[in-house]
Amino acid sequence: DSGVTQTPKHLITATGQRVTLRCSPRSGDLSVYWYQQSLDQGLQFLIQYYNGEERAKGNILERFSAQQFPDLHSELNLSSLELGDSALYFCASSGSLREGQYTGELFFGEGSRLTVL
Amino acid sequence: AQSVTQLGSHVSVSEGALVLLRCNYSSSVPPYLFWYVQYPNQGLQLLLKYTSAATLVKGINGFEAEFKKSETSFHLTKPSAHMSDAAEYFCAVSWGGSSNTGKLIFGQGTTLQVKP
Repeated sequence: DSGVTQTPKHLITATGQRVTLRCSPRSGDLSVYWYQQSLDQGLQFLIQYYNGEERAKGNILERFSAQQFPDLHSELNLSSLELGDSALYFCASSGSLREGQYTGELFFGEGSRLTVL
Repeated sequence: AQSVTQLGSHVSVSEGALVLLRCNYSSSVPPYLFWYVQYPNQGLQLLLKYTSAATLVKGINGFEAEFKKSETSFHLTKPSAHMSDAAEYFCAVSWGGSSNTGKLIFGQGTTLQVKP
């Protein structure tokens, strides 16, 4: 158990719809990362939040957005869903990014599998 | 752009044989390097990491990896494969420093098949 919790584990929806994926990081971790895993694209970094603020942005579509709340949980919102958005969405968390404290590894949740029909 | 390349999307070995999964990275700055394993229907689990200490890193389940700066490689090995090692393996990189975000860049993954 990594300590990172993601809900829901599975989600089936239709094209054009909107869904929200939720992530609770490990206790004490300030950083939350979202990744998308698909067969053709592999593991793609979407976005990172650190202590409530956006820290880095990757290959995230404009139809997708995320936020991190004061209690440090994060939500990834996917809207106007297309068939190609079907994928496994992972949340990960990590500790301090400060020099001397940075350990590098991310701790992953078990993912939310999204199927768009 | 910084990248990670895993040579071979599928590797098949016999039980008891040597496992070698290859990873090369592109970087002008010594990176932090990781190997993660993903079992079916599960999240990613850290196998081992290199963070500028010893170049030979030992991880869980008998795996180890060697950082070779001159070759920009971080290959994963295990002397004797077990059936339970069948999974997908990902090499990943991050870069420290003042601008570090901590995000990992992953390779495309290598599926390890272990034959009885």
